[in-house]
Amino acid sequence: AQSVTQLGSHVSVSEGALVLLRCNYSSSVPPYLFWYVQYPNQGLQLLLKYTTGATLVKGINGFEAEFKKSETSFHLTKPSAHMSDAAEYFCAVSEGNQGGKLIFGQGTELSVKP
Amino acid sequence: NAGVMQNPRHLVRRRGQEARLRCSPMKGHSHVYWYRQLPEEGLKFMVYLQKENIIDESGMPKERFSAEFPKEGPSILRIQQVVRGDSAAYFCASSLGTNDGYTFGSGTRLTVV
Repeated sequence: AQSVTQLGSHVSVSEGALVLLRCNYSSSVPPYLFWYVQYPNQGLQLLLKYTTGATLVKGINGFEAEFKKSETSFHLTKPSAHMSDAAEYFCAVSEGNQGGKLIFGQGTELSVKP
Repeated sequence: NAGVMQNPRHLVRRRGQEARLRCSPMKGHSHVYWYRQLPEEGLKFMVYLQKENIIDESGMPKERFSAEFPKEGPSILRIQQVVRGDSAAYFCASSLGTNDGYTFGSGTRLTVV
C-alpha cells in the first residue's frame, strides 16, 4: 500500500535561510509525486510534480524537489525563505496507472521568522 | 476560468440533518475527487468520480455518505444524519487526466452542532 511520511510537523526557518521539508514515500510501483501548499482557510495549490524524466523538478515560487528512488524520498527545498512562504506543505503520492487517487502526508507547517 | 468552485464555504448543521456539498470542476475537467481534512491532519481520500460514474469510493464511510457527479451540473457530496464527528473541511479537486495533479477548490467547512 502507498504511504507518505513527512518528517517534522513544524519547521521554522529565518527569512533568507534554506528551506528543507522532508518527504519519504512507499509505493509498489514507480510513483508520481507531488508537493502542495495550503494557506490558511484555502484549498491546496500545486507547487510541483514528478512523473517521469528528470529527477530534479522545479516548481513555482522558487521551490524545487528531487526524486531519489534509492532513498524513496522527494524532499522539497528553497534556497532562501521569504515571509510569504509561511504555510502548510503537503507531500502526496499517486500510483500512476492506478487512477488519480492521491495519498497525502500529514503536512508540515512552515514558519518563517523575520 | 474560475477554477474549482465549492459551495457553500461554510455550512452549519444540527445533528441529524443532511449536509449537501457542491463542487463544480474546472472547465474541461472530467475527474473529480473529494477529500476530508480534520484539524491537525492531512487530507484523507474519500471518493473519485468521473461523469456519472464512481471510480473509487474506498475512502467513503459505509453509511450516511454518498457522492454523485451527474452528466449535467456539479458533483454533490451528501452526508445524511450528520454527527459531530463529521465536522471537518471537505475539499473537492478536479483534474484533466489521472496524473496531471489536481486543482483544488477552497473547501466547505462543515460544523455540526
